[in-house]
Amino acid sequence: EGQLVESGGGLVQPGRSLRLSCAASGFTFDDYAMHWVRQAPGKGLEWVSGMSWNGGSIDYADSVRGRFTISRDNAKNSLYLQMNSLRPEDSALYYCAKDETDTSDFWYFDLWGRGTLVTVSS
Amino acid sequence: DNQMTQSPSTLSATVGDRVTITCRASHTISGRLAWYQQKPGKAPKLLIYGASSLQSGVPSRFSGSGSGTEFTLTISSLQPDDFATYYCQQYDSYSPGLTFGGGTKVEIK
Repeated sequence: EGQLVESGGGLVQPGRSLRLSCAASGFTFDDYAMHWVRQAPGKGLEWVSGMSWNGGSIDYADSVRGRFTISRDNAKNSLYLQMNSLRPEDSALYYCAKDETDTSDFWYFDLWGRGTLVTVSS
Repeated sequence: DNQMTQSPSTLSATVGDRVTITCRASHTISGRLAWYQQKPGKAPKLLIYGASSLQSGVPSRFSGSGSGTEFTLTISSLQPDDFATYYCQQYDSYSPGLTFGGGTKVEIK
């Protein structure tokens, strides 16, 4: 059974940057696409970004495009999210999620971490 | 974007009830739909993929159906462990990005 553990969240001022990390174990990390999904307090789920197994396919939600950058290091079984120009509306619990597919398409999420909380406030 | 609209947003039911949640897509998604269950303070859990395929380990009282733009999640006999919030998610390759429905909270009547 796989496991995903997020880290890097915290309190940050508007306009500043933060880098989230996700450590994967228990499955062959470089076989699968990976994603970030967020959930603002008391709100629904919002897909943020996804990256295919080899980085050949990358996509972002319109709400973060141009500000956030997803990356991965398959040698370290790790996924990252660099978040720049943060806004109060980016405050949320950020989940790392494993895609079921090993193709360049993005499908659905069959493994989730517990999340790391990001709060953007002055 | 392919907008996903769930209804109802809240559903009150009792143990043993048959429960149906609807998810509508603004554009056809050819069956590329998943359903998740989320309990308070927990990460979402995959229930259904491909509109009707049951994820391994998920009880058979959960089922999914639909095609095109309208999909349903049915719980045949609601159990105490099923009180939670449910989300649909589309993953159609012709729709940019991945989008979730707004969620349906199933609460005790």
